[in-house]
Amino acid sequence: DAGVTQSPTHLIKTRGQQVTLRCSPKSGHDTVSWYQQALGQGPQFIFQYYEEEERQRGNFPDRFSGHQFPNYSSELNVNALLLGDSALYLCASSATPPSTDTQYFGPGTRLTVL
Amino acid sequence: KQEVTQIPAALSVPEGENLVLNCSFTDSAIYNLQWFRQDPGKGLTSLLLIQSSQREQTSGRLNASLDKSSGRSTLYIAASQPGDSATYLCAVWYSNSGYALNFGKGTSLLVTP
Repeated sequence: DAGVTQSPTHLIKTRGQQVTLRCSPKSGHDTVSWYQQALGQGPQFIFQYYEEEERQRGNFPDRFSGHQFPNYSSELNVNALLLGDSALYLCASSATPPSTDTQYFGPGTRLTVL
Repeated sequence: KQEVTQIPAALSVPEGENLVLNCSFTDSAIYNLQWFRQDPGKGLTSLLLIQSSQREQTSGRLNASLDKSSGRSTLYIAASQPGDSATYLCAVWYSNSGYALNFGKGTSLLVTP
Protein backbone atom coordinates (compact mmCIF):
# COMPACT_ATOMS: atom_id res chain seq x y z
CA ASP A 1 0.00 0.00 0.00
CA ALA A 2 1.64 3.23 -1.19
CA GLY A 3 -0.31 5.44 1.19
CA VAL A 4 -1.16 8.99 0.17
CA THR A 5 1.06 10.31 -2.61
CA GLN A 6 1.51 13.89 -3.79
CA SER A 7 3.25 15.48 -6.73
CA PRO A 8 5.35 17.40 -7.30
CA THR A 9 7.52 17.47 -4.18
CA HIS A 10 8.69 21.02 -4.70
CA LEU A 11 7.54 23.82 -6.96
CA ILE A 12 8.78 27.35 -7.59
CA LYS A 13 6.47 29.86 -9.26
CA THR A 14 6.34 33.62 -9.69
CA ARG A 15 3.58 35.98 -8.63
CA GLY A 16 0.55 35.90 -10.89
CA GLN A 17 1.18 32.41 -12.21
CA GLN A 18 -1.09 29.42 -11.79
CA VAL A 19 -0.21 26.08 -10.20
CA THR A 20 -1.71 22.58 -10.06
CA LEU A 21 -0.90 20.13 -7.29
CA ARG A 22 -1.90 16.48 -7.39
CA CYS A 23 -2.86 13.88 -4.80
CA SER A 24 -3.62 10.16 -4.88
CA PRO A 25 -5.43 8.84 -1.81
CA LYS A 26 -4.60 5.77 0.19
CA SER A 27 -6.06 2.59 -1.25
CA GLY A 28 -9.67 2.14 -0.13
CA HIS A 29 -10.19 5.83 0.65
CA ASP A 30 -12.70 7.93 -1.25
CA THR A 31 -12.44 11.31 0.47
CA VAL A 32 -9.65 13.84 -0.09
CA SER A 33 -8.95 16.99 1.91
CA TRP A 34 -6.42 19.72 1.22
CA TYR A 35 -4.60 21.77 3.84
CA GLN A 36 -2.20 24.71 3.65
CA GLN A 37 0.61 24.91 6.19
CA ALA A 38 2.57 28.14 6.38
CA LEU A 39 5.97 28.09 8.05
CA GLY A 40 5.64 27.74 11.82
CA GLN A 41 1.89 27.32 11.69
CA GLY A 42 -0.53 24.42 11.92
CA PRO A 43 -2.27 23.21 8.76
CA GLN A 44 -5.34 25.18 7.67
CA PHE A 45 -8.27 23.42 5.96
CA ILE A 46 -8.79 24.47 2.34
CA PHE A 47 -11.53 22.09 1.16
CA GLN A 48 -12.68 18.49 1.02
CA TYR A 49 -13.81 16.44 -1.97
CA TYR A 50 -16.13 13.45 -1.92
CA GLU A 51 -17.91 11.81 -4.86
CA GLU A 52 -16.23 14.31 -7.19
CA GLU A 53 -17.90 17.24 -5.43
CA GLU A 54 -16.54 19.89 -3.09
CA ARG A 55 -18.22 18.91 0.16
CA GLN A 56 -16.85 21.65 2.39
CA ARG A 57 -14.66 24.70 1.97
CA GLY A 58 -12.52 26.54 4.47
CA ASN A 59 -11.79 30.25 4.58
CA PHE A 60 -9.83 30.49 1.33
CA PRO A 61 -10.49 32.74 -1.69
CA ASP A 62 -11.90 31.52 -4.97
CA ARG A 63 -8.38 31.53 -6.40
CA PHE A 64 -8.14 28.14 -4.75
CA SER A 65 -10.11 25.48 -6.59
CA GLY A 66 -10.04 21.74 -6.84
CA HIS A 67 -11.23 18.66 -8.58
CA GLN A 68 -11.72 15.01 -7.78
CA PHE A 69 -11.57 12.33 -10.43
CA PRO A 70 -13.54 9.05 -10.64
CA ASN A 71 -10.52 7.16 -9.30
CA TYR A 72 -10.68 9.43 -6.19
CA SER A 73 -7.44 11.27 -6.97
CA SER A 74 -7.58 15.03 -6.64
CA GLU A 75 -6.03 18.25 -7.88
CA LEU A 76 -5.62 21.59 -6.15
CA ASN A 77 -5.38 24.62 -8.41
CA VAL A 78 -4.26 28.05 -7.31
CA ASN A 79 -4.61 31.01 -9.68
CA ALA A 80 -2.99 34.45 -9.58
CA LEU A 81 -0.35 33.33 -7.09
CA LEU A 82 0.61 35.69 -4.28
CA LEU A 83 3.78 35.67 -2.16
CA GLY A 84 1.59 34.63 0.77
CA ASP A 85 0.62 31.42 -1.01
CA SER A 86 4.10 30.06 -0.29
CA ALA A 87 3.51 27.09 1.99
CA LEU A 88 3.49 23.33 2.35
CA TYR A 89 0.30 21.94 0.79
CA LEU A 90 -0.87 18.73 2.38
CA CYS A 91 -3.36 16.24 1.06
CA ALA A 92 -5.21 13.92 3.41
CA SER A 93 -7.42 10.97 2.62
CA SER A 94 -10.00 9.10 4.63
CA ALA A 95 -12.73 6.54 4.21
CA THR A 96 -16.43 7.23 4.61
CA PRO A 97 -17.63 7.68 7.30
CA PRO A 98 -14.55 9.44 8.64
CA SER A 99 -15.40 9.53 12.30
CA THR A 100 -13.88 6.16 13.14
CA ASP A 101 -10.77 6.46 11.07
CA THR A 102 -7.75 8.67 11.14
CA GLN A 103 -6.95 10.91 8.22
CA TYR A 104 -3.80 9.86 6.41
CA PHE A 105 -1.59 12.66 5.19
CA GLY A 106 0.74 12.71 2.23
CA PRO A 107 4.31 14.08 2.25
CA GLY A 108 3.17 17.45 0.95
CA THR A 109 4.13 19.77 -1.89
CA ARG A 110 6.36 22.69 -0.98
CA LEU A 111 5.27 25.73 -3.05
CA THR A 112 7.53 28.76 -3.20
CA VAL A 113 6.19 31.92 -4.84
CA LEU A 114 8.81 34.49 -5.84
CA LYS B 1 -13.99 30.82 16.96
CA GLN B 2 -12.94 27.25 17.63
CA GLU B 3 -9.27 27.20 18.44
CA VAL B 4 -6.61 24.69 19.38
CA THR B 5 -3.69 25.82 21.52
CA GLN B 6 -0.49 23.91 22.19
CA ILE B 7 1.88 24.64 25.02
CA PRO B 8 4.84 24.85 25.09
CA ALA B 9 5.75 26.03 21.59
CA ALA B 10 9.19 24.48 21.96
CA LEU B 11 10.79 22.05 24.35
CA SER B 12 14.33 20.72 24.78
CA VAL B 13 15.02 17.74 27.03
CA PRO B 14 17.91 15.35 27.60
CA GLU B 15 17.58 11.81 26.35
CA GLY B 16 15.77 9.48 28.73
CA GLU B 17 13.42 12.04 30.24
CA ASN B 18 9.67 11.57 30.35
CA LEU B 19 7.77 14.54 28.99
CA VAL B 20 4.26 15.91 28.53
CA LEU B 21 2.93 17.99 25.67
CA ASN B 22 -0.29 19.91 26.17
CA CYS B 23 -3.21 20.71 23.89
CA SER B 24 -6.28 22.74 24.78
CA PHE B 25 -9.45 23.27 22.78
CA THR B 26 -12.36 25.63 23.11
CA ASP B 27 -15.46 23.44 22.69
CA SER B 28 -16.20 20.10 24.33
CA ALA B 29 -18.41 19.03 21.41
CA ILE B 30 -15.85 17.05 19.46
CA TYR B 31 -15.83 13.86 17.41
CA ASN B 32 -12.21 13.02 18.07
CA LEU B 33 -8.73 14.38 18.73
CA GLN B 34 -5.54 13.29 17.01
CA TRP B 35 -1.87 13.72 17.73
CA PHE B 36 0.45 13.92 14.73
CA ARG B 37 4.21 13.98 14.33
CA GLN B 38 5.85 16.14 11.66
CA ASP B 39 9.52 15.98 10.74
CA PRO B 40 11.02 19.14 9.17
CA GLY B 41 9.53 19.83 5.76
CA LYS B 42 7.63 16.56 5.75
CA GLY B 43 4.02 15.41 5.95
CA LEU B 44 2.10 14.37 9.04
CA THR B 45 2.26 10.96 10.67
CA SER B 46 -0.69 10.02 12.85
CA LEU B 47 0.41 8.91 16.32
CA LEU B 48 -2.80 8.47 18.28
CA LEU B 49 -6.49 9.02 17.67
CA ILE B 50 -8.84 9.42 20.64
CA GLN B 51 -12.54 9.18 19.98
CA SER B 52 -14.90 11.46 21.89
CA SER B 53 -16.08 8.59 24.09
CA GLN B 54 -12.55 7.54 25.08
CA ARG B 55 -10.29 8.88 27.84
CA GLU B 56 -6.91 7.71 26.60
CA GLN B 57 -4.99 5.80 23.99
CA THR B 58 -1.58 4.16 24.16
CA SER B 59 0.96 3.16 21.56
CA GLY B 60 4.36 1.99 22.70
CA ARG B 61 6.04 4.80 24.65
CA LEU B 62 3.22 7.21 23.83
CA ASN B 63 0.09 7.82 25.85
CA ALA B 64 -2.54 10.41 25.00
CA SER B 65 -5.35 11.46 27.31
CA LEU B 66 -8.54 13.38 26.64
CA ASP B 67 -10.61 15.43 29.09
CA LYS B 68 -13.48 17.01 27.18
CA SER B 69 -14.94 18.78 30.20
CA SER B 70 -11.77 20.81 30.69
CA GLY B 71 -10.94 21.02 26.99
CA ARG B 72 -7.55 19.42 27.40
CA SER B 73 -5.45 16.64 25.97
CA THR B 74 -1.94 15.59 26.89
CA LEU B 75 0.62 13.54 25.01
CA TYR B 76 2.99 11.70 27.32
CA ILE B 77 6.27 10.43 25.88
CA ALA B 78 8.19 8.00 28.08
CA ALA B 79 11.95 7.57 28.03
CA SER B 80 12.51 10.10 25.25
CA GLN B 81 15.06 9.37 22.50
CA PRO B 82 16.85 11.67 20.00
CA GLY B 83 14.68 10.09 17.28
CA ASP B 84 11.63 11.60 18.96
CA SER B 85 12.83 15.06 17.92
CA ALA B 86 10.10 16.51 15.70
CA THR B 87 7.10 18.84 15.82
CA TYR B 88 4.01 17.38 17.47
CA LEU B 89 0.64 18.65 16.30
CA CYS B 90 -2.72 18.31 18.00
CA ALA B 91 -5.81 18.27 15.76
CA VAL B 92 -9.41 18.46 16.91
CA TRP B 93 -12.45 17.48 14.89
CA TYR B 94 -15.20 19.73 16.29
CA SER B 95 -18.76 18.46 15.92
CA ASN B 96 -19.94 21.65 14.26
CA SER B 97 -16.95 22.24 12.00
CA GLY B 98 -18.13 19.90 9.29
CA TYR B 99 -15.27 17.73 8.09
CA ALA B 100 -12.35 20.05 8.83
CA LEU B 101 -9.62 19.22 11.32
CA ASN B 102 -8.55 22.18 13.47
CA PHE B 103 -4.83 22.15 14.24
CA GLY B 104 -2.71 23.78 16.86
CA LYS B 105 0.59 25.38 15.90
CA GLY B 106 2.51 22.46 17.33
CA THR B 107 5.23 21.85 19.90
CA SER B 108 8.76 21.59 18.55
CA LEU B 109 10.59 18.92 20.54
CA LEU B 110 14.35 18.48 20.68
CA VAL B 111 15.78 15.49 22.54
CA THR B 112 19.51 15.86 23.09
CA PRO B 113 21.87 12.87 23.49
